[in-house]
Amino acid sequence: SSELTQDPAVSVALGQTVRITCQGDSLRSYYASWYQQKPGQAPVLVIYGKNNRPSGIPDRFSGSSSGYTASLTITGAQAEDEADYYCNSRDSSGYHVVFGGGTKLTVL
Amino acid sequence: QVQLVQSGAEVKKPGASVKVSCKASGYTFTSYGISWMRQAPGQGLEWMGWISAYNGNTNYAQKLQGRVTMTTDTSTSTAYMELRSLRSDDTAVYSCARDPGTVTTLGAFDIWGQGTMVTVSS
Repeated sequence: SSELTQDPAVSVALGQTVRITCQGDSLRSYYASWYQQKPGQAPVLVIYGKNNRPSGIPDRFSGSSSGYTASLTITGAQAEDEADYYCNSRDSSGYHVVFGGGTKLTVL
Repeated sequence: QVQLVQSGAEVKKPGASVKVSCKASGYTFTSYGISWMRQAPGQGLEWMGWISAYNGNTNYAQKLQGRVTMTTDTSTSTAYMELRSLRSDDTAVYSCARDPGTVTTLGAFDIWGQGTMVTVSS
């Protein structure tokens, strides 16, 4: 098993760009997926694979990866983007999944 | 529409077992897997394991091995997660999610159930 590390909290001014990162050994082998979770709600998949958005996810959300780090970028953050964001990926065995600890995004 | 609907909240005593159901609709159940996650109050997401709805194969998180069993009933498109020997630190919201993997988990969960609160208390 492996771990994924995220910054606990990040803030961004309304309309600006923010990058949320996720670090871990497994990201050398597997893409990260990203989830948005608002209080009291189920997580929503926002990015998967190399940089794929499910239907209905705004194009201000994008993903990238380099080495041991995956990133979720929100270009032109909106007030409704304030939420917890979690990354996950398959672990080094390929048979299990690990989640990052989550990043609380505040839109100022 | 594609959805997963879970069973209702449960309150259990320490040492008891709980079985949570997750009924799928709107897609071909056996073309996907189901992963289960839990989230303790105020904490992050924890992956519990995966089951292939195609052939019933499973992979469980190491820390839950021996206490968790995941099954499916393809006749009703329903997945089940049973957790035994419950402890107070098992108190959490338990969620199922559609997993694109039928051979192993692929980790990108595109449809989630609404979550089931399980409280373990004496």
